[in-house]
Amino acid sequence: EVQLLESGGDLVQPGGSLRLSCAASGFTFSSYAMSWVRQAPGKGLEWVSTISHSSADTHYADSVEGRFTISRDNSKNTLYLQMNSLRAEDTALYYCAKDLSPGVVIIMFDNWGQGTLVTVSS
Amino acid sequence: VIWMTQSPSLLSASTGDRVTISCRMSQGISSYLAWYQQKPGKAPDLLIYGASTLQSGVPSRFSGSGSGTDFTLTISSLQSEDFATYYCQQYSGFPRTFGQGTKVEIK
Repeated sequence: EVQLLESGGDLVQPGGSLRLSCAASGFTFSSYAMSWVRQAPGKGLEWVSTISHSSADTHYADSVEGRFTISRDNSKNTLYLQMNSLRAEDTALYYCAKDLSPGVVIIMFDNWGQGTLVTVSS
Repeated sequence: VIWMTQSPSLLSASTGDRVTISCRMSQGISSYLAWYQQKPGKAPDLLIYGASTLQSGVPSRFSGSGSGTDFTLTISSLQSEDFATYYCQQYSGFPRTFGQGTKVEIK
């Protein structure tokens, strides 16, 4: 059974930093592109960032480009999101999500974690 | 950017009803469209990808159609567990984008 467990969400002041983690199990983590998707309270879904299975390719939404960095450690089956220069509008539940097919970057998700909450407020 | 217009935003229906949700793109995306279901307090679940391919384990009352710019999600006979919010997502261009969501509520 695929499991994705996010952690690292917290209350942080504007301009601050945070690192999210997503521990994966139940599948061959190193074969799949992985992504972060966020959902502001009471709002819809917003794609944030994706990393290919080998870390060779990364993609970002314009809203986070230059502030967020996605990475992964295939030896630890873990996905990360380093978030810098945080803004109030980054407040959201951050989901870790797995791509549908191995070996390619599709950015369409067949498994999601339960999310970790990031609140940016003074 | 590929803009998406999902409609309606709110749909009131009864158990047993046939319901349809629309997703329209600002430019053609072939069949690179997925549909998700999200229940309150839960992560989304993938229902359909490739515009019309049912994800494993999803009941056959769900179906998807369309290509290019116009897509539809249909629930042939609404069940109690189908009251939820539905999102479309395109995976043709960057940035990947989601529709605004359609909440299906009990009439």
